[in-house]
Amino acid sequence: SQQGEEDPQALSIQEGENATMNCSYKTSINNLQWYRQNSGRGLVHLILIRSNEREKHSGRLRVTLDTSKKSSSLLITASRAADTASYFCARGTSYGKLTFGQGTILTVHP
Amino acid sequence: DVKVTQSSRYLVKRTGEKVFLECVQDMDHENMFWYRQDPGLGLRLIYFSYDVKMKEKGDIPEGYSVSREKKERFSLILESASTNQTSMYLCATQDRDQETQYFGPGTRLLVL
Repeated sequence: SQQGEEDPQALSIQEGENATMNCSYKTSINNLQWYRQNSGRGLVHLILIRSNEREKHSGRLRVTLDTSKKSSSLLITASRAADTASYFCARGTSYGKLTFGQGTILTVHP
Repeated sequence: DVKVTQSSRYLVKRTGEKVFLECVQDMDHENMFWYRQDPGLGLRLIYFSYDVKMKEKGDIPEGYSVSREKKERFSLILESASTNQTSMYLCATQDRDQETQYFGPGTRLLVL
């Protein structure tokens, strides 16, 4: 499959803890993007990291990219109950197309 | 803010019916996409369009067609709905010079 593989499939943590989600892919990328989906809703873009970047931050989000290992990770620090959602990585290729992983379901308990 | 709307949040159809899913965006984006989302499979690209009258097959186009007569509207058509097309359908738009995609709220389709 050309889709990204994400792990874990599900993650359950307490408020205040950090959450780490991983994404691996098989083919080359222009960029790697992370999206969030609240239950039954559309996806919302969180952060984009380009193939020549190694780390990027946005608020409580930190994304890393290792192109030699074809992997990326998303770290959410000091998680909140409102962070409960599904998180998807998407491999960005030519012409703006995205290939999505299966997603990680994050549950943050108050 | 980009606004992407989809014609229905929930839809129930019978096997063999012709189904139209509409997507409308208000940001003058050139690129538009249709995905289906199924548990354990993530999002899979059905069709996309880079301009009016243009369409390209995605990874799973079988059983679907699309129409883009106006820049702001991208329609997904199920010519003869089947039960294996029961799914969540998501529309997305993208500015030609950007990489981020903006999604609509989705249409949950049930084919009986």
